[in-house]
Amino acid sequence: GDSVTQMEGPVTLSEEAFLTINCTYTATGYPSLFWYVQYPGEGLQLLLKATKADDKGSNKGFEATYRKETTSFHLEKGSVQVSDSAVYFCASFTGGGNKLTFGTGTQLKVEL
Amino acid sequence: NAGVTQTPKFQVLKTGQSMTLQCAQDMNHNSMYWYRQDPGMGLRLIYYSASEGTTDKGEVPNGYNVSRLNKREFSLRLESAAPSQTSVYFCASSEGGTVGNTIYFGEGSWLTVV
Repeated sequence: GDSVTQMEGPVTLSEEAFLTINCTYTATGYPSLFWYVQYPGEGLQLLLKATKADDKGSNKGFEATYRKETTSFHLEKGSVQVSDSAVYFCASFTGGGNKLTFGTGTQLKVEL
Repeated sequence: NAGVTQTPKFQVLKTGQSMTLQCAQDMNHNSMYWYRQDPGMGLRLIYYSASEGTTDKGEVPNGYNVSRLNKREFSLRLESAAPSQTSVYFCASSEGGTVGNTIYFGEGSWLTVV
């Protein structure tokens, strides 16, 4: 079945540092890929998505590129802020299963 | 601006008690989902409903039942709660279909079984 693997956290960075959170997937067919963010005590919010190979999703300074050759969808941000502290989930969607498969989540802590 | 609304937000149950988590969406979505979130395990799908009138098991359905009451509402029932069901539960919805439509989540229900 489909699976998503993302780097374990917590990841602790200083404000304005560069962020990379790795995500790789296995899937039958060609999934759509997502990054969701969860702030403390809240539900998950869509951060960005990409639906086909070489697509780049971007939002709020975050970017991720759908790399079919490496089955990856790494999340990057050039300069993180304290307000970016949250848990980030990578996910894949395969239409045949009509469901989203999540990674285990990566907690990001940004300090002043 | 409600989106996906789930109730209750917090609940404490004794082992063996039953309860129903309610979920409603106002986006006219076809598909609805129930996930549970546990530390270190991400979100795992319990049940989903691809469209009104259909329900299917997800990854961890044991101990749960669901009802797709109508297009808006999708409830999750614990018939005899167990401590292993202590978790945060999220309801979600999407337009469904084969395209990677965005799935929208409720704010979560924190359930503790003692």
